[in-house]
Amino acid sequence: DGGITQSPKYLFRKEGQNVTLSCEQNLNHDAMYWYRQDPGQGLRLIYYSQIVNDFQKGDIAEGYSVSREKKESFPLTVTSAQKNPTAFYLCASSRAGRVNTGELFFGEGSRLTVL
Amino acid sequence: GDSVTQMEGPVTLSEEAFLTINCTYTATGYPSLFWYVQYPGEGLQLLLKATKADDKGSNKGFEATYRKETTSFHLEKGSVQVSDSAVYFCALSDQNTGGFKTIFGAGTRLFVKA
Repeated sequence: DGGITQSPKYLFRKEGQNVTLSCEQNLNHDAMYWYRQDPGQGLRLIYYSQIVNDFQKGDIAEGYSVSREKKESFPLTVTSAQKNPTAFYLCASSRAGRVNTGELFFGEGSRLTVL
Repeated sequence: GDSVTQMEGPVTLSEEAFLTINCTYTATGYPSLFWYVQYPGEGLQLLLKATKADDKGSNKGFEATYRKETTSFHLEKGSVQVSDSAVYFCALSDQNTGGFKTIFGAGTRLFVKA
C-alpha cells in the first residue's frame, strides 16, 4: 500500500541537541510538507517542497531546516535554535501542478519531547 | 489573508445523537474546502472535500456543503458512534497558491459516550 512513513514515532532530546525526523513517501507525489501541531491548536506549516532540490519556508520555519534530495524523502532537522521544540510533527504530501486538488496525505506523526 | 474558524470543543454527545461542527472561512480566491479527522496518536486523514460552491462532500455518514453565500462548510452526521470520537479539522486550500498552502482551523475534539 502507498503511504507516508515517519520515524521515529517518539523521540526524546536533550536541550542543545539537533534531531532529524524522517519522512518517506511512495505515493509518487511531487509536493511534501512539514507541519507542527501543539495541543489545542491547528497545524502550522514549517516548510514545504514542490519539487526535488527546492523548498520554501512556511509560517514557522525559524529553528528548523530541511532538504529534498530525493522525491521520496523530506527530512526535517529540529535545531538547537528552536526555542520550544516539544510538539507533534506531521509530514504530508500532495500532487502538484494542474492535478493538485489540495488534498494532503499525512504520515502518523513524530512526537518530540525535549528534556 | 485566508483563515478558517471552527467551533471550539470539546463536543460531547451520546451515541446516536446528531452532530454539527461549525466551520466558516475567509478567502480572497476560490478555495477548495476539506474536513480532516485525527484519531488519538495518529496523523490526519481526509474525511471529505468540496471544490466549488454548492458541492456536497460526504463520507462514512458525514456530510458538508460548500456554502459560498455564508462562507461556511459545516460538518454534520445524523447518528454518531463511539468510534467517531476524534479531533476534526476544517481546512481550505486556495487554488490561487497552487494548492500548496492549506489553512487549518484549530480543530474540534468530539467525545461520543456509549
